[in-house]
Amino acid sequence: QQPVQSPQAVILREGEDAVINCSSSKALYSVHWYRQKHGEAPVFLMILLKGGEQKGHEKISASFNEKKQQSSLYLTASQLSYSGTYFCGTPRRMGSGNTPLVFGKGTRLSVIA
Amino acid sequence: DGGITQSPKYLFRKEGQNVTLSCEQNLNHDAMYWYRQDPGQGLRLIYYSQIVNDFQKGDIAEGYSVSREKKESFPLTVTSAQKNPTAFYLCASSTLVSGNTIYFGEGSWLTVV
Repeated sequence: QQPVQSPQAVILREGEDAVINCSSSKALYSVHWYRQKHGEAPVFLMILLKGGEQKGHEKISASFNEKKQQSSLYLTASQLSYSGTYFCGTPRRMGSGNTPLVFGKGTRLSVIA
Repeated sequence: DGGITQSPKYLFRKEGQNVTLSCEQNLNHDAMYWYRQDPGQGLRLIYYSQIVNDFQKGDIAEGYSVSREKKESFPLTVTSAQKNPTAFYLCASSTLVSGNTIYFGEGSWLTVV
């Protein structure tokens, strides 16, 4: 099942904060976050593994709530370079071993000056 | 430099023709994937392979075919049976470690004329 992302789109002014949510109808082992500029490859941001550990990358951080089957991506003090579409991906099936990711439909983030 | 190379970047196809998109990786990854991206649809899995000479259908495999004769290569053929092939195609790869990151190529734009 495809994870559900919200909001679908958001417009920010430079310096503002944003939260992007990703929820699943099934238990999650991990959540992967990517950012994509138009016409380019998605770029890996971070992975959240079962255990609730919060990961961070400069001014972008994320949390993972196993009970709620949800992950949130936090962008603080947004910069123009943060513009793009953000995708979350979750394992296609549970169990051991590698499995492809199923991606949400994406959240389009636009940062304006 | 290590990475995933897709070619061609842009491709035009006449209706009724088969076309093959190339994907090569030098990351020594065992798993390779093909995703299709349409506006507002996120990334949808077409096929994936975890070992040479073996591959699995994804969520939208109809009208597509793949081969995995070498570890580093995973070409995708878009056949004439694919009714709406115009899209952005992304190849990706990863190790077989559970929860490991998927890395994407730069993508190929296919347009049917």
